[in-house]
Amino acid sequence: DAKTTQPNSMESNEEEPVHLPCNHSTISGTDYIHWYRQLPSQGPEYVIHGLTSNVNNRMASLAIAEDRKSSTLILHRATLRDAAVYYCILRGAGGTSYGKLTFGQGTILTVHP
Amino acid sequence: EAQVTQNPRYLITVTGKKLTVTCSQNMNHEYMSWYRQDPGLGLRQIYYSMNVEVTDKGDVPEGYKVSRKEKRNFPLILESPSPNQTSLYFCASSLQGANYPLHFGNGTRLTVT
Repeated sequence: DAKTTQPNSMESNEEEPVHLPCNHSTISGTDYIHWYRQLPSQGPEYVIHGLTSNVNNRMASLAIAEDRKSSTLILHRATLRDAAVYYCILRGAGGTSYGKLTFGQGTILTVHP
Repeated sequence: EAQVTQNPRYLITVTGKKLTVTCSQNMNHEYMSWYRQDPGLGLRQIYYSMNVEVTDKGDVPEGYKVSRKEKRNFPLILESPSPNQTSLYFCASSLQGANYPLHFGNGTRLTVT
C-alpha cells in the first residue's frame, strides 16, 4: 500500500500562510492525493484533493510536485479555527484499489493568536 | 442535509456482550468504510464496502464483522467485545472511485470493561 509521511506537528501565527508538507514517494500514477482535517471531538473533514495539477478551493490550495512524490497543503491565512490534525492520504484509482485506505499519523497544526 | 449518521455516539458495555454500531448515509454512496482511532495510532481501517453485498477487510478486521444489505447502511458488529476494542470509531462514505471525497460521521466512542 502506498504510504504518506507528514511532520508530527507544525505551528503558525494567525493570519499567516501555512504550508503543510506530505511525502508520498511510492505513489502510483493513478493515485489521487487527498487531504482531510480533524477538529477536536469531530470526525475527519474533507479539505481538498488532486491528481497532477495544483488545485484551489474555498478552504485551501494543493500544490503537487511535478514528480508527484510530494504535495503541500496551503492555508493562505490561518485562523484559530484551522487548528486541527491534518491527514494526507492516497486513494488509488486502479480497479478497486480506492477502497483500502491508509491514514498516517497526520500533522497537528497549532495556530497562535 | 447530506450526512453520515452513526449511532450511538457513546457506548459503554461489558466484555463478551454483542453490540452493533450503526452507520447510515443519505447521499446514495456506493462506498462505505469503518475506522478506529486510538491515541498514537491514528486512524486505522477496519472494513470497507464497495457496494451492496461487497465487503473487504481493512488493516485491523480481527474481532469485527460488517454487513451491507442495503446501500445506505453499513453496521459494524462486535460479536464478543473485548477491552482492546475500546476506541473511537468512525464511519465514512463516498461515491465510487478515487476522485471523490470521503464523508465521515461524528464518531462513536466505545468503552468495553
